[in-house]
Amino acid sequence: DAGVIQSPRHEVTEMGQEVTLRCKPISGHDYLFWYRQTMMRGLELLIYFNNNVPIDDSGMPEDRFSAKMPNASFSTLKIQPSEPRDSAVYFCASSLREIDGYTFGSGTRLTVV
Amino acid sequence: DAKTTQPPSMDCAEGRAANLPCNHSTISGNEYVYWYRQIHSQGPQYIIHGLKNNETNEMASLIITEDRKSSTLILPHATLRDTAVYYCIVRVGWESGGSNYKLTFGKGTLLTVNP
Repeated sequence: DAGVIQSPRHEVTEMGQEVTLRCKPISGHDYLFWYRQTMMRGLELLIYFNNNVPIDDSGMPEDRFSAKMPNASFSTLKIQPSEPRDSAVYFCASSLREIDGYTFGSGTRLTVV
Repeated sequence: DAKTTQPPSMDCAEGRAANLPCNHSTISGNEYVYWYRQIHSQGPQYIIHGLKNNETNEMASLIITEDRKSSTLILPHATLRDTAVYYCIVRVGWESGGSNYKLTFGKGTLLTVNP
C-alpha cells in the first residue's frame, strides 16, 4: 500500500486566494483526519470523518475553512480566502477502526504571502 | 481526555535502550495510552498503544504501571534514526460509545540519540 497520499507537498499562494489540499486515505480505512501543525500551536485536529461523514469539525478555525469527503478514497480541505496566519503544515491521516493507530501522510506545507 | 506530562527532552546513546516516561495520573478506566513519534519534517508515526497490559511490537515496548497512572515507552536498541519527538496520548476507546475518538497531541519529548 502506498500509504496516505497528500498533494501538493508544497503550496505557496497569495493572501486572498483559494487553496485546496487533497488527501487519499489508505484503501479500506473508515476514518479520515485533518490536522494542522505550527510552531506556536503544535498539532491540532481540524476535522474528522467516519465513512465519509463529518463527525467533529470543532477544530476548524473559522468559516474560511471547509472539508469534504465525496467518497471513501478522496478528501479535500479548502481555505477561501487564505490569510498569512494559515501558513502551516497540514496533515491528513486515516485509520481502519477508531481504536487503531493512525497512518499519517507526508503533509502539505502551505505558505500564504 | 486525560492530560499527560512528559519531559521536554531526553538524550540516549546509540545502541542503548531509550526509556521515555509519561505521567497520566488522571487517566480513566476506559482510556488507552497511545505513543506516536514525529521525525523532523515528517508526519507523525504510530508506535504502540495499550490499556492495562504491557505491549510489545517490532518497534517498541509499552510498560503501563498497575495503577495506570504512568507508562514508559522502551526502544530497546536506539539508533540515530530514532531521534524524534515522542508523543504520549491518552484517549477513550470505542467501548465508551459516543463518537469522540479524537487524538490530541501535546508537546511531547524530544529524544536525541547520540553516536
